[in-house]
Amino acid sequence: GDSVTQMEGPVTLSEEAFLTINCTYTATGYPSLFWYVQYPGEGLQLLLKATKADDKGSNKGFEATYRKETTSFHLEKGSVQVSDSAVYFCALILSGSARQLTFGSGTQLTVLP
Amino acid sequence: GAGVSQSPSNKVTEKGKDVELRCDPISGHTALYWYRQRLGQGLEFLIYFQGNSAPDKSGLPSDRFSAERTGESVSTLTIQRTQQEDSAVYLCASSLSGRTYEQYFGPGTRLTVT
Repeated sequence: GDSVTQMEGPVTLSEEAFLTINCTYTATGYPSLFWYVQYPGEGLQLLLKATKADDKGSNKGFEATYRKETTSFHLEKGSVQVSDSAVYFCALILSGSARQLTFGSGTQLTVLP
Repeated sequence: GAGVSQSPSNKVTEKGKDVELRCDPISGHTALYWYRQRLGQGLEFLIYFQGNSAPDKSGLPSDRFSAERTGESVSTLTIQRTQQEDSAVYLCASSLSGRTYEQYFGPGTRLTVT
């Protein structure tokens, strides 16, 4: 079945450090890929998305590129801030499916001042 | 405008009792989704509504779980004869239609079965 595997956490970084959270997927079709973020005490929010191979999603300084050849969608940010501390979820939707998201297990990020 | 709301925010119940969880989607959103998030795990899909019909119930874990939706508004997820393994955060999301990608999530209901 379809699945998403993401980097185990927790991840702790100092402010202004470079962030990478790895995400790989297995899908029978051609998925759209997403990163969702859950800040402490808040609901899940869409951070960025990419709907086809080689697309780059970006938002709030975060980027991820849809790599079909490596079935990956790694999240990156060049300089993290304390306010980026949250849980990050990689997810996919198969095109033509019933539209439910398939999520990875989440990665807890803590950024220290 | 208002986002997706869920109630209650927390529910503690005894094993064997029935519980109802409520979701109010964003006004005008025709698609509604229920997910479950167990501690330390990712979200599991439970059920999807397009309008008030549920074309995909494949994620419901057992026949103790059921859900309904009134028109294109409120949805209720019911768990009968709760078990300890039902303890989780239950999240609801809505989207403008079943064809759009962006799902907007509510804050969730944390269910604890003792």
